[in-house]
Amino acid sequence: GAGVSQSPSNKVTEKGKDVELRCDPISGHTALYWYRQSLGQGLEFLIYFQGNSAPDKSGLPSDRFSAERTGGSVSTLTIQRTQQEDSAVYLCASSFGSYNQPQHFGDGTRLSIL
Amino acid sequence: SQQGEEDPQALSIQEGENATMNCSYKTSINNLQWYRQNSGRGLVHLILIRSNEREKHSGRLRVTLDTSKKSSSLLITASRAADTASYFCATDRGGGADGLTFGKGTHLIIQP
Repeated sequence: GAGVSQSPSNKVTEKGKDVELRCDPISGHTALYWYRQSLGQGLEFLIYFQGNSAPDKSGLPSDRFSAERTGGSVSTLTIQRTQQEDSAVYLCASSFGSYNQPQHFGDGTRLSIL
Repeated sequence: SQQGEEDPQALSIQEGENATMNCSYKTSINNLQWYRQNSGRGLVHLILIRSNEREKHSGRLRVTLDTSKKSSSLLITASRAADTASYFCATDRGGGADGLTFGKGTHLIIQP
């Protein structure tokens, strides 16, 4: 597709379950970003990939969060043992390089933890 | 943490009027970007202004940047009902590894 694609668009799960969120960036975009948007915290940066490498994982909220990117394309964000405070919209963005480039966002995955 | 602070938090104007939103930030930046978000959707990039630029235009949008005051403004001229959305400023400190740091946004309502 022409834009950033995220799946699923909505996910409802029980506390304690693991969830996996997927992001398909725009073809040819080497940089990929994950953000989280919640009412209380606004938009928070989580992690950045240049190619398949994430140089800094300190933005991930806890060690229950992990992310990977394979083949320089698709990325997955995994949350283990979900907690209610993980409820938020998770947004993925990609860009053609990371220097002075606009980011192109997907519509996000709305995650609700019961 | 939020670096940018948009002002006002909410703005309601009549169609055809101009809308001005302001953004302040705290650290040095490489560029500043403005994004629009419609309800339930992702963010749409509007304009990017580099730290060595003072003003930039794109269609009905005009962005200014004052690095000495660490502030930016977004002006939307001749507003339309379709401009109703939340608008966010985001700062980029360069290199990508820090991602963008967003403000809390201005919710703009255009009354038809």
